[in-house]
Amino acid sequence: DTGVSQDPRHKITKRGQNVTFRCDPISEHNRLYWYRQTLGQGPEFLTYFQNEAQLEKSRLLSDRFSAERPKGSFSTLEIQRTEQGDSAMYLCASSLARSSGRATGELFFGEGSRLTVL
Amino acid sequence: TQLLEQSPQFLSIQEGENLTVYCNSSSVFSSLQWYRQEPGEGPVLLVTVVTGGEVKKLKRLTFQFGDARKDSSLHITAAQPGDTGLYLCAGPGRAGGTSYGKLTFGQGTILTVHP
Repeated sequence: DTGVSQDPRHKITKRGQNVTFRCDPISEHNRLYWYRQTLGQGPEFLTYFQNEAQLEKSRLLSDRFSAERPKGSFSTLEIQRTEQGDSAMYLCASSLARSSGRATGELFFGEGSRLTVL
Repeated sequence: TQLLEQSPQFLSIQEGENLTVYCNSSSVFSSLQWYRQEPGEGPVLLVTVVTGGEVKKLKRLTFQFGDARKDSSLHITAAQPGDTGLYLCAGPGRAGGTSYGKLTFGQGTILTVHP
């Protein structure tokens, strides 16, 4: 399978614990995005990378959240000191940006990592 | 902040019926996209509309972009149980900008088609 893969698919944790999610994008895609989706809502943008550079972060991304893409390939999203309000589906997506800097416009999403904070 | 409002939020119909889902905004978008999401899966792109007034067809699905590029609609003809899912419209994060992935999504329309 050459699509976007995310791990783990499900994570149940206790409030206050740290969790980390991993995303492996489509191999030739240079842009990687993290979104968060709560039940009954559309996805909300969190952050995105062009290669290894994190170019934008949403105000939704509090100091407890950190994302990395150290080698421009896979990415990790860590949530420290989890709170019940962090319970959501965390979606990763990737796309290919042209040399002009403009994206092709299509995002390929992974299946998501569902987080439940008790 | 650009907002996309979708209506209706929920739609429950019988197989064979037609339906329309609406996506509206007070802002102008350079393009709008429609995604379909099944439970436990990520959204999958259905179509991108770019030109005001544009109509695109994908089998039984017809997508239209408003003349002023502030709204879009998705019409499904003769719905089938396999059409069941969450339908999302999305636009680029800034007006007039090219989509670089920072998409603003509507809240979605949950469609259930009963056999």
